[in-house]
Amino acid sequence: DGGITQSPKYLFRKEGQNVTLSCEQNLNHDAMYWYRQDPGQGLRLIYYSQIVNDFQKGDIAEGYSVSREKKESFPLTVTSAQKNPTAFYLCASSIKSGLLTAGELFFGEGSRLTVL
Amino acid sequence: GEDVEQSLFLSVREGDSSVINCTYTDSSSTYLYWYKQEPGAGLQLLTYIFSNMDMKQDQRLTVLLNKKDKHLSLRIADTQTGDSAIYFCAEKFPGNTGKLIFGQGTTLQVKP
Repeated sequence: DGGITQSPKYLFRKEGQNVTLSCEQNLNHDAMYWYRQDPGQGLRLIYYSQIVNDFQKGDIAEGYSVSREKKESFPLTVTSAQKNPTAFYLCASSIKSGLLTAGELFFGEGSRLTVL
Repeated sequence: GEDVEQSLFLSVREGDSSVINCTYTDSSSTYLYWYKQEPGAGLQLLTYIFSNMDMKQDQRLTVLLNKKDKHLSLRIADTQTGDSAIYFCAEKFPGNTGKLIFGQGTTLQVKP
């Protein structure tokens, strides 16, 4: 079945450690996105990529890094520089967006990161 | 800048209609969306509406768009306990980036 797979679903990290969250899609979508969700704050965009080997910062990119070496994969690294990393992280993908295309996002099931 | 606002909580009785409201700031938004999130899960697209429409109906769901007031609503008819979830309104960021801007989410509680 086509879809987006995020792993791990739960992750615990000690302060000062980097962690990488995996996101893989087999929908043949060009664009991929990482959002962070905190209670009562909705979703905030961390990074996005519209094409392989290219990505842009979103609204809260500080302390995060990404790569897009393959169309199917868009891993997110939460670095030790991220001051408050405990959150629910959601990966999404869409077809290449145009002005008149809906470009709706399809989401994975999320990864919950807890810093101890 | 772009902003999307929703009330945080709505409680209804099973069988009643639910209406979830959203306001947005960018009048150039071309598409607006409603997503549903169940506990511990990702977001599921419910429906979307193009900005030149003022209404869209899909089974129990009715979306109303008032562009003049920048107001979007989602009506769920005959609300069931399985509709209990967080509902997010989102608007498409202007241009070709494909980014969506999300509201804070409305928690819908359906009482039996």
